Amino acid sequence: GAVVSQHPSRVICKSGTSVKIECRSLDFQATTMFWYRQFPKQSLMLMATSNEGSKATYEQGVEKDKFLINHASLTLSTLTVTSAHPEDSSFYICSVMTSNEQFFGPGTRLTVL
Amino acid sequence: KQEVTQIPAALSVPEGENLVLNCSFTDSAIYNLQWFRQDPGKGLTSLLLIQSSQREQTSGRLNASLDKSSGRSTLYIAASQPGDSATYLCAVRNAGKSTFGDGTTLTVKP
Repeated sequence: GAVVSQHPSRVICKSGTSVKIECRSLDFQATTMFWYRQFPKQSLMLMATSNEGSKATYEQGVEKDKFLINHASLTLSTLTVTSAHPEDSSFYICSVMTSNEQFFGPGTRLTVL
Repeated sequence: KQEVTQIPAALSVPEGENLVLNCSFTDSAIYNLQWFRQDPGKGLTSLLLIQSSQREQTSGRLNASLDKSSGRSTLYIAASQPGDSATYLCAVRNAGKSTFGDGTTLTVKP
């Protein structure tokens, strides 16, 4: 199966700063990647679909200007949380979809002070 | 809008028991259904994927069934082990979007 990595695994930042999270598909060329966030004891919530070479497709209610997604290559997608606030603290997970199966990165724990 | 429900929310069983986890969904026009496990502090692991045309999939001690018309799937775990303790999530895929249930947290006691 596809191997997906995320960097960093954990980040703490001050309110108002921007944080970039990288998602890499190590052994699969992914035209599509997904970004999720997960609150404690809650299920995954799809934030956006990242499309290589084009704009991301955001789910309803997700602010495009706050969560910037760039999918510049077939193996890398980045999520930038701009002007982060404490309510943005969450576990962010990326995912790669092969022809019929979904593989997840290990997640990035963001804490905004 | 697709809604996915998993019952029970938590389950505790003694080692060796066979058990069933349930997943129901409201929109039966799915492409596939996937079961995952999530271990505390770790990422998600895909367990079984059932395509909409399939009725079940098996992997080792795991068997997942799918009844699309009734909007239900079950994950059967045979001879449970303490290492099976985790949160089990099901997700259904419609038109490129995956919707997850809230999961069932399983504890298998030695």
